[in-house]
Amino acid sequence: SQQGEEDPQALSIQEGENATMNCSYKTSINNLQWYRQNSGRGLVHLILIRSNEREKHSGRLRVTLDTSKKSSSLLITASRAADTASYFCEGADGLTFGKGTHLIIQP
Amino acid sequence: DAGVIQSPRHEVTEMGQEVTLRCKPISGHNSLFWYRQTMMRGLELLIYFNNNVPIDDSGMPEDRFSAKMPNASFSTLKIQPSEPRDSAVYFCASSRTGEKLFFGSGTQLSVL
Repeated sequence: SQQGEEDPQALSIQEGENATMNCSYKTSINNLQWYRQNSGRGLVHLILIRSNEREKHSGRLRVTLDTSKKSSSLLITASRAADTASYFCEGADGLTFGKGTHLIIQP
Repeated sequence: DAGVIQSPRHEVTEMGQEVTLRCKPISGHNSLFWYRQTMMRGLELLIYFNNNVPIDDSGMPEDRFSAKMPNASFSTLKIQPSEPRDSAVYFCASSRTGEKLFFGSGTQLSVL
């Protein structure tokens, strides 16, 4: 079963706009991680949020975690063309990934 | 650090042939993961090792798939015999237990 499921499956926005992706998971977690995958490449770790944290920032990234709802969100502010990629959440120490959100930033 | 190194980058083979994918994890990492990625099924965990020991191989699709980790710096994923439905991108990743994963660039496998 998938521990992380991302929503929406695809998102297309204009450059400069903010992009929000959501993640739901099934079982309790120690931490939740977000990864990015550019076309044809491996996944790259973006940010980790621990179960006792509610919000975390890293540059233009903002991640929230609601353990009561078993959900997380990733916000990318002031999007750039280079942010075009697939984004995955994962909450089981590498054991399960969802299918990701494919984000397209239109110039 | 060179990161996780996978080889080959691309592999084209004929149905029935044996395929061996290789992975060198980052030095000091004690967990190693093999994944398969397709458009239909997304990123699937095949097997993971902790301290060179296979912990969970429930994701290995069939007996045609096998994985080994003879030492902390090397792992292989073997498919024998290969079938067209095995065509996918195979990723290796490593980490310290419970920490973020570092992925290799993947092996694009095409079985004709």
